[in-house]
Amino acid sequence: SYVLTQPPSVSVAPGKTASITCGGNNIGIKNVHWYQQKPGQAPVLVIHHDSDRPSGIPDRFSGSNSGNTATLTISRVEVGDEADYYCQVWDGSGDHIFVFGAGTKVTVL
Amino acid sequence: EVQLVESGGGLVQPGGSLRLSCAASGFTVSDHYMDWVRQAPGKGLEWVGRSRNKANRYTTEYAASIKGRFTISRDDSKSSLHLQMHGLKTEDTAVYYCTRELAAGGDFDYWGQGTLVTVSS
Repeated sequence: SYVLTQPPSVSVAPGKTASITCGGNNIGIKNVHWYQQKPGQAPVLVIHHDSDRPSGIPDRFSGSNSGNTATLTISRVEVGDEADYYCQVWDGSGDHIFVFGAGTKVTVL
Repeated sequence: EVQLVESGGGLVQPGGSLRLSCAASGFTVSDHYMDWVRQAPGKGLEWVGRSRNKANRYTTEYAASIKGRFTISRDDSKSSLHLQMHGLKTEDTAVYYCTRELAAGGDFDYWGQGTLVTVSS
């Protein structure tokens, strides 16, 4: 089945930019969605269809997708952005219709 | 306001059964694809299954890991979604989330708070 590869952790200072990658074979032709999950809470959709932001999500969150890598970028990072972030795609040909990456823990220093 | 509220979780022995429910409000449930996603303790997210909307005859799809053991159903008259689980295994222990797809694109725009299922003897 399709595999999504994320770095286990990313550290960033407040006010700086965090980039979280999501690697997959030819992921650029797929729609990538991103979720933020804080401890003890349900995930929240922060980016869908590669780069669209749902209503209520700050424009500090942006996404891109090309080739074998999709990227979630958080600009002007705030302490409240500390969370786990998951990428997700539709597979359609494997054991799971929808596949999630293993998640990236973003730590704000 | 869109709300999804799960219930029915608990402790069950291996091989047992459990039925989870999700009460939806704030939107027309029959218009949306609805999914179950689970998360084992300390682990990542895993998609469980999907129920398409009324226009697509409520057809379902399942992850291979649970196919044949779990069944998704819905009762739009009660704005509810259900996950019937049989033959539970210890590896099914997880928080189970009910989710709504934004526009049948696999983007889960609303999630419930989750209900914990523990499979243990």
